[in-house]
Amino acid sequence: DSGVTQTPKHLITATGQRVTLRCSPRSGDLSVYWYQQSLDQGLQFLIQYYNGEERAKGNILERFSAQQFPDLHSELNLSSLELGDSALYFCASSHRDRAWDEQYFGPGTRLTVT
Amino acid sequence: GQQLNQSPQSMFIQEGEDVSMNCTSSSIFNTWLWYKQDPGEGPVLLIALYKAGELTSNGRLTAQFGITRKDSFLNISASIPSDVGIYFCAGRSTLGGATNKLIFGTGTLLAVQP
Repeated sequence: DSGVTQTPKHLITATGQRVTLRCSPRSGDLSVYWYQQSLDQGLQFLIQYYNGEERAKGNILERFSAQQFPDLHSELNLSSLELGDSALYFCASSHRDRAWDEQYFGPGTRLTVT
Repeated sequence: GQQLNQSPQSMFIQEGEDVSMNCTSSSIFNTWLWYKQDPGEGPVLLIALYKAGELTSNGRLTAQFGITRKDSFLNISASIPSDVGIYFCAGRSTLGGATNKLIFGTGTLLAVQP
């Protein structure tokens, strides 16, 4: 158990809908990262937040957004969902934002868009 | 999205055999990491390498940070059934102002027959 929690575990929704994925980092961790894992693209970095502020962006679509709240939990919002958005979405956390702060991954949310 | 080249893509071995896998990149990384992912779970950090030429062990696992900073290797000795899973390398990128963005490899699927 990494100490990172994600809810829900599974999510099934229809095209065009909007969903919210939730992540609670390990106790004491200030940085949260979101990754998408799909069969064709592998594990891809989406976005990072550090202590409530956006720190880095990766291959995140404009239809996707995220935020980190004062209690440090984070939410990833996916809107206007398409079939291709079906994937595993992982949250990871690290203590701070230094280059040597290792990331610990949650169990993931499996999103299926039908 | 960017992915590192990891080989082999899959390995089917007998229990007790040694395993080697490697990861290459066209870019230089300052940190190389190796993760293992079990089905339905998030990646778990196995080994972190911070210095070119560094050789680090974690039990039966040994990883090396290539001198060119563009590659890394993972060896597993005396494999056991619980070694089954997908192994990912990751390089830490500082592009785009990020300090802790991970670029993942394509993964190596390891199957161990008792």
